[in-house]
Amino acid sequence: DTGVSQNPRHKITKRGQNVTFRCDPISEHNRLYWYRQTLGQGPEFLTYFQNEAQLEKSRLLSDRFSAERPKGSFSTLEIQRTEQGDSAMYLCASSSIQGAGLVNTGELFFGEGSRLTVL
Amino acid sequence: GQQLNQSPQSMFIQEGEDVSMNCTSSSIFNTWLWYKQDPGEGPVLLIALYKAGELTSNGRLTAQFGITRKDSFLNISASIPSDVGIYFCAGPMWRGAQKLVFGQGTRLTINP
Repeated sequence: DTGVSQNPRHKITKRGQNVTFRCDPISEHNRLYWYRQTLGQGPEFLTYFQNEAQLEKSRLLSDRFSAERPKGSFSTLEIQRTEQGDSAMYLCASSSIQGAGLVNTGELFFGEGSRLTVL
Repeated sequence: GQQLNQSPQSMFIQEGEDVSMNCTSSSIFNTWLWYKQDPGEGPVLLIALYKAGELTSNGRLTAQFGITRKDSFLNISASIPSDVGIYFCAGPMWRGAQKLVFGQGTRLTINP
């Protein structure tokens, strides 16, 4: 399977617990993104990596959230001291820079998501 | 910040009918992307548009990049049950931006 892979697909946790999600991007893609999606809304940008460098973080990413991509391949998103408002689908996506001009087409390829429910 | 407004928010149609939906912005976009999301799954890219006025097809789907660069349209011809889902438009917040902004989606329901 050459698509973006996320696990776990579903996580139910109690408020105050820590959770971690993993994302394995498409192997030749050097950019990796995390988005959050709540019910009835489109995905919202959280953060992105180029290789192992985290280059941008949204204001949505509070200090309880941390993302890493230590070797420039898979990434983890950890949420500490979860709150009920963290309940959402967490989507990972990857993309690549293409062409001689290193153009980013803007096309993202998403994984199936990790759904978090905080009780 | 930039927002994308999709219309209609939901559609209920009969199988075989054609579908039209649109996406508008108060700002200019240089790329328009259309995604489809099935329940419990991540969005899947359907069509990408890069040039004002561009018309691109993918099977029964056709999308257009509006001349003003502030809107885009998606049409589905002869709808079938597997077209059910939520359709999102999206675009980079500015030229070269790494993050996409998404519309709120158009939910398509098909009556057999």
